[in-house]
Amino acid sequence: LAKTTQPISMDSYEGQEVNITCSHNNIATNDYITWYQQFPSQGPRFIIQGYKTKVTNEVASLFIPADRKSSTLSLPRVSLSDTAVYYCLVGGYSSASKIIFGSGTRLSIRP
Amino acid sequence: DSGVTQTPKHLITATGQRVTLRCSPRSGDLSVYWYQQSLDQGLQFLIQYYNGEERAKGNILERFSAQQFPDLHSELNLSSLELGDSALYFCASSVTEGLAGGRWDTGELFFGEGSRLTVL
Repeated sequence: LAKTTQPISMDSYEGQEVNITCSHNNIATNDYITWYQQFPSQGPRFIIQGYKTKVTNEVASLFIPADRKSSTLSLPRVSLSDTAVYYCLVGGYSSASKIIFGSGTRLSIRP
Repeated sequence: DSGVTQTPKHLITATGQRVTLRCSPRSGDLSVYWYQQSLDQGLQFLIQYYNGEERAKGNILERFSAQQFPDLHSELNLSSLELGDSALYFCASSVTEGLAGGRWDTGELFFGEGSRLTVL
């Protein structure tokens, strides 16, 4: 199971672009990269998933370099409501895949 | 609203007691996952069921057990409770067997609002 490493915390300001990088050196060929967002006392919420290159949705972009050993979640023009913990997960096609959340990155947005 | 329902939302009990947490997955979802989150801690994977069968097991204590019923709802049983069992317990559901259960899909987990257990 690929282990992920993320910064413990990050600070930014409203209106800025925030990039959170996740390292996953042991990612397997069939592993996907998924990001979740969690607000206090709430369950995590899916943000985005990708396999390679770039994925974009209405909330965020996910950049994955060719070697796939890292990935970067990009949040454009953050607001106070983006203050949350962000988790990077790596997992693949397995009938017994344990979906493991790491410690996550605690993002704090200031006015 | 994720479509995943967990009951009870809050539960206060004493050490040594036993409690049952219930989870109803989204309509059509066959997989149910249980997670434990202690104060300011990350999410600890406990166990996963797919269509009634146990599929994956994480760091689940022997005092804890779970099952998924034919109607796909799941229950997490916690017994001989200790102070350290106080936590938020989340249930999540997905359509497929695993994160990307053998075929292309979004791999999205839908989480409930959690059950907050306080052991005094």
